[in-house]
Formats: sequence, structure tokens, C-alpha cells
Amino acid sequence: EVQLLESGGGLVQPGGSLRLSCAASGFTFSSYAMSWARQAPGKGLEWVSTILTSGAIYDADSVKGRFTISRDNSKNTLYLQMDSLRAADTATYYCAKDWWSDWGQGTLVTVSS
Amino acid sequence: QAGLTQPPSVSKGLRQTATLTCTGNSNNVGNQGAAWLQQHQGHPPKLVSYTNDNRPSGISERFSASRSGNTASLTITGLQPEDEADYYCSAWDSGLSAWVFGGGTKLTVL
Repeated sequence: EVQLLESGGGLVQPGGSLRLSCAASGFTFSSYAMSWARQAPGKGLEWVSTILTSGAIYDADSVKGRFTISRDNSKNTLYLQMDSLRAADTATYYCAKDWWSDWGQGTLVTVSS
Repeated sequence: QAGLTQPPSVSKGLRQTATLTCTGNSNNVGNQGAAWLQQHQGHPPKLVSYTNDNRPSGISERFSASRSGNTASLTITGLQPEDEADYYCSAWDSGLSAWVFGGGTKLTVL
């Protein structure tokens, strides 16, 4: 059974940083592209970033230069380093496997002073 | 990045058929097809269809997807109360090198 468990969310001040983690199990992590998506309270889904098995990275314009996706295949873990956070980044952040085939439960990031 | 276009809401009666639409362009829906996600309130999204009409295991045969040009559709037959949810479409945009999502359709089963 595929399991994705996000962690690292919380309350942070504008301009601050957070690092999200997504621990994966139940599949061969290194063989799949992984993505982060987010959902602001009461809003729709928004793609954030994707990392392929090759290590190639694609970022949404809204986070380019501020967020960095990475993966550690030895630890079966996906990361999202978030810097220069803004109030507009407040959302539940989900990690997802492949082309949205499986999702974690999400972790809430709140950016507020 | 420009998103895909979905109607905000659709309402249908119990046991009726609902068809949800998702319009993009030749770089996304018209090229790669679309995935469809179901999200119940307070829960993460769940994939119900990918690349036009492939259903993940465990998804009811009542869910079927199709594409015509730059518009993808998700048809749900024999509507049940548990089908009431938000539905999102998503596609890879080869021109933007980005995933794009629709704004979501809230399906109400009357």
C-alpha cells in the first residue's frame, strides 16, 4: 500500500523559512516522479513543484526562486525547502506520487505575523 | 501559469448522470489528456481517472473520462450520495513545462 506522510508544516512569519518532508513507503520511491501541490483555505488545488527520477525539476512561477524541491532516494523522502515565505503561501501542502496517483494527508503552512 | 476551465458547480439527482467538463488548449488537454481528481471536504484529493480514460484500481466503473479536442470530460453514471465532492482536472502543459489545474467543480447530488 502506497503511503505518503508529510511533516514540517506550522506557523511562520512573513519572510521566514520552512522545510517540508514527505516520507514515502509501499513503492519503489526512486522509480517515480514526485510533486508538491498546495491548497489555500477554501480554494482549489495549485501545483507547486515536480522532481523527476532524473533529478530534473519544474517549478510553478509563483514559487520559482523561493522554493526548492529535492529528494533523497536512500531515505525514500521528498523535501520542499520554502524560503521568503509570504502570506499568499498559506495553504495545506500535499506531496503526490507520479502523475497524481497517490496523495498524502497534507501539512498546513500558515504564514502570518 | 494559466489554468484549465471548469464550471464552478453541477447539480444532478440521485441515480442520474453527471458530465463534468475541463477546457484547456493544444499544449495541455489537447496534447497530453487530463487527469481527474475527486476531493471530499476535509480529505486529500484522490485520482479517479488519468490520461483520458484510465481508471486506477478500486475506482468504480461508474466513472469514465473522454476527450474531444481541447476539452476533457468526466462522466459519472448512477450518481450516489458519496459522489458529492469537488472534482479537479489537471494536465501537463508542454508549452509551459508545468502542471495546470482547473478551478474545480463542486458536484451536488440532490
